[in-house]
Amino acid sequence: KNEVEQSPQNLTAQEGEFITINCSYSVGISALHWLQQHPGGGIVSLFMLSSGKKKHGRLIATINIQEKHSSLHITASHPRDSAVYICAVPGGSNYKLTFGKGTLLTVNP
Amino acid sequence: DTEVTQTPKHLVMGMTNKKSLKCEQHMGHRAMYWYKQKAKKPPELMFVYSYEKLSINESVPSRFSPECPNSSLLNLHLHALQPEDSALYLCASSQVGTYTIYFGEGSWLTVV
Repeated sequence: KNEVEQSPQNLTAQEGEFITINCSYSVGISALHWLQQHPGGGIVSLFMLSSGKKKHGRLIATINIQEKHSSLHITASHPRDSAVYICAVPGGSNYKLTFGKGTLLTVNP
Repeated sequence: DTEVTQTPKHLVMGMTNKKSLKCEQHMGHRAMYWYKQKAKKPPELMFVYSYEKLSINESVPSRFSPECPNSSLLNLHLHALQPEDSALYLCASSQVGTYTIYFGEGSWLTVV
């Protein structure tokens, strides 16, 4: 079973700061998800990546397959970025995902 | 259209009630999922349908009964629930054999 570790568990930042959230996993994978969940809300898929780097607006996701590590970066953070960010990897069958415990990000104005 | 639509958004039900949660997608995805999420926890997989057939049941109690009437719709029928079943129920869909998964906004269920 793939173990997924996220760090930090909680992160507080001031508006405009550069944010990094990390995700490590124990077993080699074909793809990794970064998900966002606002308080009281559903889940939004931010990125799925299998190699290299992806960018969408102020969000950047990178993955190092050899080191079994991925990072999610947020540039020029904004209070609306306040949410839980979850890393997820395939969990042993075509349909199962193993989720990290999430990182609660709070961006203060 | 990359939406997974869930209704209702909020549901309060008594322990003797029968109710249903509904999920709809029009992306042509043939895999659909139900997840349960408790506060401050990651989602837990409950059921997976693949080509309208139940593919995975993660040992979910029979008071939860899934149904996939066609390739766009997924229901979760609820009967004789317990207060500990109160949670956010998330529907998701994907193409079979891919990991690009789309989640709905969820249905908040409170059992009283």
